[in-house]
Amino acid sequence: GAGVSQTPSNKVTEKGKYVELRCDPISGHTALYWYRQSLGQGPEFLIYFQGTGAADDSGLPNDRFFAVRPEGSVSTLKIQRTERGDSAVYLCASSSAEANVLTFGAGSRLTVL
Amino acid sequence: AQSVTQLDSQVPVFEEAPVELRCNYSSSVSVYLFWYVQYPNQGLQLLLKYLSGSTLVKGINGFEAEFNKSQTSFHLRKPSVHISDTAEYFCAVTETGAGSYQLTFGKGTKLSVIP
Repeated sequence: GAGVSQTPSNKVTEKGKYVELRCDPISGHTALYWYRQSLGQGPEFLIYFQGTGAADDSGLPNDRFFAVRPEGSVSTLKIQRTERGDSAVYLCASSSAEANVLTFGAGSRLTVL
Repeated sequence: AQSVTQLDSQVPVFEEAPVELRCNYSSSVSVYLFWYVQYPNQGLQLLLKYLSGSTLVKGINGFEAEFNKSQTSFHLRKPSVHISDTAEYFCAVTETGAGSYQLTFGKGTKLSVIP
């Protein structure tokens, strides 16, 4: 597609529920990134995919968070047993293999009540 | 590990006045530097980047930034702001070299342009 697409744009859930956030990167971009932006903060790195594999998942806060990219294109960020502290905007970005420049999506705003 | 400090959380400025948004970074290795802008309810948009070469970098919408290695700074400037420049601006850094993908962001500076 023309840009990075993220769905849903807004998600409200209850504490303890399971959530999936989807990212559709720019066509042909091999690298995909997830960041989390909490209120009043800059984005923080969560995980990076090169192709289908997670090249670096050191930013995932705990084992409730998991992300997949089974066909090397669309990625899903999965959060189990959500907590109120998970409330944030989750940003996805993609880049070509040669570039250092990330193109970001509009984000998915997650609110955990 | 690297870090980014944006010294001002909010900057109000009158329309057509000049503005400077300050950014300092810390890193033990060479870095690439970026400025992103975030309009309300939108994603981050790249304004400009410094990868190598000239330390004065020009970006979109009339913005420019200067990389100062001795002062570890990468301040963003615009000589005359417009109402449409009202947004939040983020400075970011990443290490140079292969696999340099993990951007470290500052906390952001909210620019408010006053008519």
